[in-house]
Amino acid sequence: DVKVTQSSRYLVKRTGEKVFLECVQDMDHENMFWYRQDPGLGLRLIYFSYDVKMKEKGDIPEGYSVSREKKERFSLILESASTNQTSMYLCASSFLAGGVWLEAFFGQGTRLTVV
Amino acid sequence: KNEVEQSPQNLTAQEGEFITINCSYSVGISALHWLQQHPGGGIVSLFMLSSGKKKHGRLIATINIQEKHSSLHITASHPRDSAVYICAVRRKNIIQGAQKLVFGQGTRLTINP
Repeated sequence: DVKVTQSSRYLVKRTGEKVFLECVQDMDHENMFWYRQDPGLGLRLIYFSYDVKMKEKGDIPEGYSVSREKKERFSLILESASTNQTSMYLCASSFLAGGVWLEAFFGQGTRLTVV
Repeated sequence: KNEVEQSPQNLTAQEGEFITINCSYSVGISALHWLQQHPGGGIVSLFMLSSGKKKHGRLIATINIQEKHSSLHITASHPRDSAVYICAVRRKNIIQGAQKLVFGQGTRLTINP
């Protein structure tokens, strides 16, 4: 079974702290994604990466950065956490097979509260 | 207007009822996903469709590419089916490399015993 693992289920951080959310996948997928999920807004893409050291901004990248030093790990960084970044964060990975994008696999989510 | 619209937003039904959740989209797609999210947050992929119909147990997903519409059906619904069901589409040829998913708002389904 493909596994996408996020380092924490729940986090509480203070305003201004630097926050790292880690995501690891074990199936050698090229593509990894970070989303945030908020009531009434659904899932919104923050950043994605289609290869090691490659990253692309999603729809709401402001206040975030990412790091992909190894294929299996994709980190989301909140440079200076703010209360409006309180949210559920979801990591996902997917891959190409024969030129066709296949299933997306999601982590269990990290519920971040910034106080 | 959102590129992916789901209906209804909330659905409550009795155990055993036949459930239908609808998804309409306005962009060209290469695939459509149905996802399930239980309380606690984790998301599970139920189906990925590019045409026709797929069935897995009591779940059936259909897609009509011409009408840009997909439905998720649950037969003989059970309280353990209570979850948020999310439709997501993979746009065609948006960007070299990863193709992003665009998500609907989700449908909160509650099945009462």
